[in-house]
Amino acid sequence: DGGITQSPKYLFRKEGQNVTLSCEQNLNHDAMYWYRQDPGQGLRLIYYSQIVNDFQKGDIAEGYSVSREKKESFPLTVTSAQKNPTAFYLCASSIGRANTEAFFGQGTRLTVV
Amino acid sequence: KQEVTQIPAALSVPEGENLVLNCSFTDSAIYNLQWFRQDPGKGLTSLLLIQSSQREQTSGRLNASLDKSSGRSTLYIAASQPGDSATYLCAVNSGGGADGLTFGKGTHLIIQP
Repeated sequence: DGGITQSPKYLFRKEGQNVTLSCEQNLNHDAMYWYRQDPGQGLRLIYYSQIVNDFQKGDIAEGYSVSREKKESFPLTVTSAQKNPTAFYLCASSIGRANTEAFFGQGTRLTVV
Repeated sequence: KQEVTQIPAALSVPEGENLVLNCSFTDSAIYNLQWFRQDPGKGLTSLLLIQSSQREQTSGRLNASLDKSSGRSTLYIAASQPGDSATYLCAVNSGGGADGLTFGKGTHLIIQP
């Protein structure tokens, strides 16, 4: 089945620790995105990538880093510099050209303990 | 900067009713608008995508309209069912597809059996 796979579903992080969230897609999409969702707020864009080996900061990139070494994969690292990392993280992809539909994974819930 | 507002924030109706969810956006220069459904603790499921040149899209009991000049979209759900209970999110694409979506905060819908 084609789609976007995020892992793990739940992740716990200790203070000062870096963690990496995985996002893999087999839709052959060029563009991939990371969003953060907090209760009572809309989704906010963290990073996006239009093509392999290229990515751009979104609205709330501070404390996060990404890589795009393969078309299928767009991992997100939450660093210790992110002061409030507890949230629901969603990965998405699209063909990348204008007027194309975005598809989302099932999300990773990150909790700081 | 694009801003998206969804009204109402929450809605509870008896099963069988027809209902309308509203979405407004501040910048009419959009490429497309997408409606999503989100179940608790899950990712987003794409419901309908309306291109900027279109006036409406239909899928089953769902109909979405777009009035770009006034910055408004509506999602019409016919003959509502308890399985329609979810949060409905509206998102606009203002950046050519690869720059990410701007989301509203959603409408939390409960259909009473």
